[in-house]
Amino acid sequence: DTGVSQDPRHKITKRGQNVTFRCDPISEHNRLYWYRQTLGQGPEFLTYFQNEAQLEKSRLLSDRFSAERPKGSFSTLEIQRTEQGDSAMYLCASSPSILPSSYEQYFGPGTRLTVT
Amino acid sequence: DAKTTQPNSMESNEEEPVHLPCNHSTISGTDYIHWYRQLPSQGPEYVIHGLTSNVNNRMASLAIAEDRKSSTLILHRATLRDAAVYYCILRDVRGGSNYKLTFGKGTLLTVNP
Repeated sequence: DTGVSQDPRHKITKRGQNVTFRCDPISEHNRLYWYRQTLGQGPEFLTYFQNEAQLEKSRLLSDRFSAERPKGSFSTLEIQRTEQGDSAMYLCASSPSILPSSYEQYFGPGTRLTVT
Repeated sequence: DAKTTQPNSMESNEEEPVHLPCNHSTISGTDYIHWYRQLPSQGPEYVIHGLTSNVNNRMASLAIAEDRKSSTLILHRATLRDAAVYYCILRDVRGGSNYKLTFGKGTLLTVNP
């Protein structure tokens, strides 16, 4: 297994456009997380899935954001009507749910979004 | 999640030990102490975690104070590849809150050749 992968790695879009990012977790991991990181800050939690169920959404996730994990495998994060403030690195992570391995989250390389 | 306090930056020389401190004076009995690091242009990477006892793994050691109000991540011989932002995170494993990580700004470690 090559780890968590994210696509695309970079995305430049114009304000008002919709964008979608994909995350492929490590295959046996049933927990999947999305985080957002702006310059000079640590990552901030956005949302969390256990299998296909979205169990929590952060207040940071406005109505313009939606995340799915339809079959409990890959996940997508969509941002509608992008704003300049959405410019950030979007990170995906996965973990198993069984201790002790569940203590570790494995992060992908991120998708860097630039909204012009 | 309880908050942690770390120095903004630290500097080390290659092949010397590095001690990265973290204060967490409001830690609760069910908070695990986690360390992650983030190399330039990469996602964070798990380093180590512990509850009460000191922990060692192939990457680092974690020394936890007896009162658990502080901890220190120890890199025994820093290499240039260890230059990264190091995050100290408390994670409560009770109930439904045991999944997300709450990152601060971390400590930027510079390793000089």
